[in-house]
Amino acid sequence: QSVLTQPPSVSGAPGQRVTISCTGSSSNIGAGYDVHWYQQLPGTAPKLLIYGNSNRPSGVPDRFSGSKSGTSASLAITGLQAEDEADYYCQSYDSSLSGWGVFGGGTKLTVL
Amino acid sequence: QVQLVQSGAEVKKPGASVKVSCKASGYTFTSYDINWVRQATGQGLEWMGWMNPNSGNTGYAQKFQGRVTITRNTSISTAYMELSSLRSEDTAVYYCARGPNLPIVGGAGWFDPWGQGTLVTVSS
Repeated sequence: QSVLTQPPSVSGAPGQRVTISCTGSSSNIGAGYDVHWYQQLPGTAPKLLIYGNSNRPSGVPDRFSGSKSGTSASLAITGLQAEDEADYYCQSYDSSLSGWGVFGGGTKLTVL
Repeated sequence: QVQLVQSGAEVKKPGASVKVSCKASGYTFTSYDINWVRQATGQGLEWMGWMNPNSGNTGYAQKFQGRVTITRNTSISTAYMELSSLRSEDTAVYYCARGPNLPIVGGAGWFDPWGQGTLVTVSS
């Protein structure tokens, strides 16, 4: 299993707001390491969505936002659109021996 | 524009090695880390390792220690990932991804952009 825990799936209707959680521990998110988020459309490479917990790269709509607190982080998507249907991954750093770069297991977002 | 272009798909037999290349363009190759991430079919992302192209320093996930080697050729702005002693479980798409231009430990920063991915199939 992944070092960072995400729900396997979330869903929402167009226009709604959904959140995806990313739960870590004291050796990664809880130790102060930043969390980054990626969107992966079917058959394509992941794309950076949020970096440094809450920063959006240029070109990413402000419907996407990130936050971090304690040993967890969250990705929020407002005004859900059909094109948002994708897999979403969180990523951070883990200071344990088996760590370094670590990802969550991914969350499949379905737009109903 | 900043771009990472990877080599083509590979088919290997169990026990063999594979070497995937990642050619960078649109930026100064030695100024940004390169990370390697893999994804088995229908599975999540798995970080494999990191390299500082300027110093050549590397770091590998414990799971791949002893089997993976990341190298570079700065004259052609290309990074390489070699995985040895291949087994069927290594069948996956392998991605290279650029890290940020920051003085942080490998694997801690964000990855942007990503290469298009290289499918490696291990089958007898």
